[in-house]
Amino acid sequence: NAGVMQNPRHLVRRRGQEARLRCSPMKGHSHVYWYRQLPEEGLKFMVYLQKENIIDESGMPKERFSAEFPKEGPSILRIQQVVRGDSAAYFCASSPPLGQNTEAFFGQGTRLTVV
Amino acid sequence: GNSVTQMEGPVTLSEEAFLTINCTYTATGYPSLFWYVQYPGEGLQLLLKATKADDKGSNKGFEATYRKETTSFHLEKGSVQVSDSAVYFCALNAGGTSYGKLTFGQGTILTVHP
Repeated sequence: NAGVMQNPRHLVRRRGQEARLRCSPMKGHSHVYWYRQLPEEGLKFMVYLQKENIIDESGMPKERFSAEFPKEGPSILRIQQVVRGDSAAYFCASSPPLGQNTEAFFGQGTRLTVV
Repeated sequence: GNSVTQMEGPVTLSEEAFLTINCTYTATGYPSLFWYVQYPGEGLQLLLKATKADDKGSNKGFEATYRKETTSFHLEKGSVQVSDSAVYFCALNAGGTSYGKLTFGQGTILTVHP
């Protein structure tokens, strides 16, 4: 059973370009969470999605950032018109739909560098 | 709102030394508490967790006790190894079914020398 898969592992974009980060949850998991880790800081929650629905986007910047989790395929975090301050590690986590006190499993992250 | 505060780092120890990393939290209700570990270039792995007051989480020689009266969840290990060198994050989940929505501390870098 493969873990949470994120790709690419490293992404370099020039200022003004678009960045698309992908996350495939663990098999059987229908909940996906995105986090951002700025250099030398902890992880900050961005958005929580279930299939075809955004449940909680309280941590998403109001502009340029969007996320989706379609019925088929991976979850996508999109950053439009990237700026240097977007340089960070972006982590995805997934969890199953049932049960209480169940942990979320993290991917290895995508490290975005904006030049 | 919810918040987690970890002791300032980095922490440098010799092999077989005793480890304590302090963690305190602020939350409404009854959160679940977690310690995650991040090895260089890797994602986060759950180290241990506790879901109610006075619970003790333990794994790989690490322990932490959920203290509601002091709002703390300090991480301890009696004898660290070089392989324990990593970044350690304390985190809380405020409850409900969105158990993947976590509030993290800033992380503590641990380096263990032979």
